[in-house]
Amino acid sequence: GQSLEQPSEVTAVEGAIVQINCTYQTSGFYGLSWYQQHDGGAPTFLSYNGLDGLEETGRFSSFLSRSDSYGYLLLQELQMKDSASYFCAVRPPGRRALTFGSGTRLQVQP
Amino acid sequence: DAGVIQSPRHEVTEMGQEVTLRCKPISGHDYLFWYRQTMMRGLELLIYFNNNVPIDDSGMPEDRFSAKMPNASFSTLKIQPSEPRDSAVYFCASSLGQGETQYFGPGTRLLVL
Repeated sequence: GQSLEQPSEVTAVEGAIVQINCTYQTSGFYGLSWYQQHDGGAPTFLSYNGLDGLEETGRFSSFLSRSDSYGYLLLQELQMKDSASYFCAVRPPGRRALTFGSGTRLQVQP
Repeated sequence: DAGVIQSPRHEVTEMGQEVTLRCKPISGHDYLFWYRQTMMRGLELLIYFNNNVPIDDSGMPEDRFSAKMPNASFSTLKIQPSEPRDSAVYFCASSLGQGETQYFGPGTRLLVL
């Protein structure tokens, strides 16, 4: 089965850098995805790591290390609008559906 | 593109009533997913379809839940009879082929009294 663990809450200030970790116990998966969800909104795709290493998309970067069963989402130059919940997710072998972590609520303070 | 469309956006019903949630995926997408989100259980898969065929319904809680996809542009999730513990936000999502991105609809917020 799949189990993904994330911190429940993270607080940071505008302009800062924050890292949201995701550790997992899984028998295998295709890659690690990250989704953002604002309060009352729908999850929206942020990034995907199919291979180990760093993927960068603007202010957001994501990292995966399969040997360490670990990944993270890095948000730079934080803005107030980044206040949201962030979910890591994996897609198990032979399955198209995602298994989500419990989510990390990020609060950006002025 | 209009994105994934769900209706209704909000539903309040009484225990024992039938509830039908509707979803229109993004045109051309061949995968459709139904997820449920609660504070206690987080975001969990209920069922997903590929080319209108149910592939994995292992997340469907019990026989009270059923889902159909009669054509490529429409799916329903039905709860009959509904119970208070079914109160949650139900999301429909779609994706295309081997792509990793899933596109979520705005969700249906269901409250069963």
